[in-house]
Amino acid sequence: SQQGEEDPQALSIQEGENATMNCSYKTSINNLQWYRQNSGRGLVHLILIRSNEREKHSGRLRVTLDTSKKSSSLLITASRAADTASYFCATVISGAGSYQLTFGKGTKLSVIP
Amino acid sequence: DVKVTQSSRYLVKRTGEKVFLECVQDMDHENMFWYRQDPGLGLRLIYFSYDVKMKEKGDIPEGYSVSREKKERFSLILESASTNQTSMYLCASSPLGGRSLLTDTQYFGPGTRLTVL
Repeated sequence: SQQGEEDPQALSIQEGENATMNCSYKTSINNLQWYRQNSGRGLVHLILIRSNEREKHSGRLRVTLDTSKKSSSLLITASRAADTASYFCATVISGAGSYQLTFGKGTKLSVIP
Repeated sequence: DVKVTQSSRYLVKRTGEKVFLECVQDMDHENMFWYRQDPGLGLRLIYFSYDVKMKEKGDIPEGYSVSREKKERFSLILESASTNQTSMYLCASSPLGGRSLLTDTQYFGPGTRLTVL
């Protein structure tokens, strides 16, 4: 089963609005990463947050991490049509044998001009 | 900037053919990965490599093999293509070395959309 699960599966908003996507996971993590994928293209890394961090910012992106709830959120402020893409969270599990990112199924964001 | 390239953007093959998907990265990264992406299933790891000539199975290695003869190149091989291998294949690389350090940011290629008829 997936370690990370995004919510919602799809999100449609008007340009200028904020978009919030959530990611829940099951076991303790080393870090959590958010990626973006434009239609039919490869993934692009957006931001990494470590398990001892609670919040990170990068431009219009804000990521929070709540390890007690095993969840993370990605906020895109003042959205633009160019933000239309699928967004994936990926987790790295703590402990021995940790060797890969595990990706969720993604949230498909549509920003309507 | 890191650049990860894949040999083909689109590929159409017939059942039973041997298929090679090539991936090259130009940033001297230690780790390389092959994923497949299918609707509703997200990304699933097929194989990865953390050093030249080293390879390890991911979550769904059946029907696939890999080759890493040079640091910059990681090849995915479908020995006998089947229709259930129709998918988007994504290659990625990351800089840190060592099996225990495969936790860093990954850089993805543009993907190869393979159709097996």
